[in-house]
Amino acid sequence: KNQVEQSPQSLIILEGKNCTLQCNYTVSPFSNLRWYKQDTGRGPVSLTIMTFSENTKSNGRYTATLDADTKQSSLHITASQLSDSASYICVVTGSDDYKLSFGAGTTVTVRA
Amino acid sequence: NAGVTQTPKFRVLKTGQSMTLLCAQDMNHEYMYWYRQDPGMGLRLIHYSVGEGTTAKGEVPDGYNVSRLKKQNFLLGLESAAPSQTSVYFCASRGSYQADTQYFGPGTRLTVL
Repeated sequence: KNQVEQSPQSLIILEGKNCTLQCNYTVSPFSNLRWYKQDTGRGPVSLTIMTFSENTKSNGRYTATLDADTKQSSLHITASQLSDSASYICVVTGSDDYKLSFGAGTTVTVRA
Repeated sequence: NAGVTQTPKFRVLKTGQSMTLLCAQDMNHEYMYWYRQDPGMGLRLIHYSVGEGTTAKGEVPDGYNVSRLKKQNFLLGLESAAPSQTSVYFCASRGSYQADTQYFGPGTRLTVL
């Protein structure tokens, strides 16, 4: 069973609107949580990384939150642009430094 | 600074054929990884390396071998390709600290007929 679950699987939003993606994980112990953006046909690119003690991290119009108690994270996209159309992947690192648990991703489509 | 590069970008094999995927990074990273990405699933770790001359198995290592003879290169080999190995393969590298960003290559799309 995947230790990182993302929802929704996909969503469509209009340009200029906001959206929030969810990530629930069971990885324990927990070291850090990352959000990646993957454009079609490209490799993932890091957006944010949060450790246990951090509960929010921003990167431009992207804001990630983390609740380590409930093992939940969210990625909020503000004022979406067409270029935000991509898959967003939640990745959790546990005690094993070399292994990362990847979610299946949320596909976001931004329409004009 | 090219980051992480992968060769080739696309490849079609017949069942039983062999091939090697090359990953190169110019960031002097110690850690390198090979993943596969299949529809509806998260990336899965095949093999990884924590330094030149070292390799270790990941989550799905069967049917693959790797070598890290030089720090900047990480090779993934398929000795006898099977249709189940049809996938997109990503290489990644990272610095020595756990919080360091993991940089991914552009991917290799492999089809095994």
